[in-house]
Amino acid sequence: AQSVTQLGSHVSVSEGALVLLRCNYSSSVPPYLFWYVQYPNQGLQLLLKYTTGATLVKGINGFEAEFKKSETSFHLTKPSAHMSDAAEYFCAVSDRLNYGGSQGNLIFGKGTKLSVKP
Amino acid sequence: DSGVTQTPKHLITATGQRVTLRCSPRSGDLSVYWYQQSLDQGLQFLIQYYNGEERAKGNILERFSAQQFPDLHSELNLSSLELGDSALYFCASSVGTSVGETQYFGPGTRLLVL
Repeated sequence: AQSVTQLGSHVSVSEGALVLLRCNYSSSVPPYLFWYVQYPNQGLQLLLKYTTGATLVKGINGFEAEFKKSETSFHLTKPSAHMSDAAEYFCAVSDRLNYGGSQGNLIFGKGTKLSVKP
Repeated sequence: DSGVTQTPKHLITATGQRVTLRCSPRSGDLSVYWYQQSLDQGLQFLIQYYNGEERAKGNILERFSAQQFPDLHSELNLSSLELGDSALYFCASSVGTSVGETQYFGPGTRLLVL
């Protein structure tokens, strides 16, 4: 079974500072990984995803994430935080029954709330 | 705007009651997923439908049921409501059932059970 762990339920950075949100996964099959963002009182919006191919994935709003199989990690980064980045971020993995099998629902981490200080 | 619509936005009801949440997927999407977001459990998958058929089940209680209609909209029925059912319920849609497909989320229905 797949699972996701997000380290740090709250992260606070200053405007202009590096944003690093940590995500580790557990999967017995090649994982498909996602980062979603949730702004207050809104639904989830996809930032980026990794399926196959290039391990450095670029997403919207200047975010990127790198898939590191050896570390079972998929950390989200942004070089320079903006006030508008304040939101909750969720890492997720596709639920896969076995290699080649598909069960398309997502398994989410607990989320990391990002605060940006002026 | 993801293109996924959910109604109502807010719902306040009493314990023991039954409610129906509605979801319309993005145009062209055949898969609909229901998720529950609560403070203690986080975001949890409930159930998936694909083109009218149940495709996958997650941590969905027996008091909860869902269906997808021929026009592809979906309804989540919650009955014998308990205080612990208070949560944000999200619907998401995707084109098909392939693993790795992007799921587009609606704005959610906030349910408060008093």
